[in-house]
Amino acid sequence: DAKTTQPNSMESNEEEPVHLPCNHSTISGTDYIHWYRQLPSQGPEYVIHGLTSNVNNRMASLAIAEDRKSSTLILHRATLRDAAVYYCILRPSGGGADGLTFGKGTHLIIQP
Amino acid sequence: NAGVMQNPRHLVRRRGQEARLRCSPMKGHSHVYWYRQLPEEGLKFMVYLQKENIIDESGMPKERFSAEFPKEGPSILRIQQVVRGDSAAYFCASSPVTGKQETQYFGPGTRLLVL
Repeated sequence: DAKTTQPNSMESNEEEPVHLPCNHSTISGTDYIHWYRQLPSQGPEYVIHGLTSNVNNRMASLAIAEDRKSSTLILHRATLRDAAVYYCILRPSGGGADGLTFGKGTHLIIQP
Repeated sequence: NAGVMQNPRHLVRRRGQEARLRCSPMKGHSHVYWYRQLPEEGLKFMVYLQKENIIDESGMPKERFSAEFPKEGPSILRIQQVVRGDSAAYFCASSPVTGKQETQYFGPGTRLLVL
């Protein structure tokens, strides 16, 4: 399976934008890039996904590099409620399990 | 539309007992996934089921663990003869279809403590 690399932790101030990077240099042409987050003591929550073009939704934006070897999750105005572990996940091409492969993710700390 | 429901939210068992964890998927969802999160670790996929069928159990421990998703009722993750190492948070997720784009919707989890 294609792997992703994320920083262990990042810190940001409340009401400022946050850019969470993810490297996936071995991504295949048909892999989708998904982002989930897990707030403390809760189940994971879908954030956004994309293939090649940048994507926006009410929660965040996803910027995908032209060569697709990296992507960035953008929280436009972080709040304390955005403090969570953010996971960048590739959905593998071909057959096999449809289970998500979670790495260690990035622990996002928001300072008031 | 209620989200994914899991019960119990917390479960305490003594070593050697059985643990039964239940998951009711979102309405209209026929695909269920179970994940385990050990303390201070990431989530690990365990098993993927559709109604009455186990599709992929590559992440399930070989012994003591089993899962089912009957035609009627919730999906059940069963752990026989629990040991302390089974203490973890168990999350269930559901999706309406399968494929690379579909979103999985997670429940709040069951936190199992084995004494």
